[in-house]
Amino acid sequence: EAGVAQSPRYKIIEKRQSVAFWCNPISGHATLYWYQQILGQGPKLLIQFQNNGVVDDSQLPKDRFSAERLKGVDSTLKIQPAKLEDSAVYLCASSFTQGRYEQYFGPGTRLTVT
Amino acid sequence: EDQVTQSPEALRLQEGESSSLNCSYTVSGLRGLFWYRQDPGKGPEFLFTLYSAGEEKEKERLKATLTKKESFLHITAPKPEDSATYLCAPHTGGFKTIFGAGTRLFVKA
Repeated sequence: EAGVAQSPRYKIIEKRQSVAFWCNPISGHATLYWYQQILGQGPKLLIQFQNNGVVDDSQLPKDRFSAERLKGVDSTLKIQPAKLEDSAVYLCASSFTQGRYEQYFGPGTRLTVT
Repeated sequence: EDQVTQSPEALRLQEGESSSLNCSYTVSGLRGLFWYRQDPGKGPEFLFTLYSAGEEKEKERLKATLTKKESFLHITAPKPEDSATYLCAPHTGGFKTIFGAGTRLFVKA
């Protein structure tokens, strides 16, 4: 079974530039999550989708971050404009919707904002 | 407010020296508690789900236990390849998963 795919793996941009991350979840997983993980901390949820709909985006900085999940499969997370404090690893995860809620993570995208 | 605290922040062990990692939580309506392992440069890897107080799960040298306020990850006779960050994550009644900051485990040969 293929795992969660993410790209790119690494990205370096200057502040005020924009960047986008892509995620393809495990086949059959209706729920998709984007997390931000700052060095030395646990993952922090940015947004959670169930199929096409947003379940929780309470911690997403909506003035600069946006995310979409078209057709209930792939998802894209965008930052525009980036700030220095956005330097982190962005993790995508997916899970079943019912019964089993454990999440399976992709390898992450390490973003450096200079 | 939902909170998760893991201790210690870092743990250094000699190979074969057993120990335990702690996860204390205050959440509303616990539906389950997850343990993950995270290696440097990789995403977290799922280890266990515990659903109710008194439950135990085992995998190789790892055993996870759950009480109403804490979970423990016991490591028996660890090996250098067990070195990683271990994350606990309660899953709440609001269908939220809250991750702790993790315990960094270093096992020296």
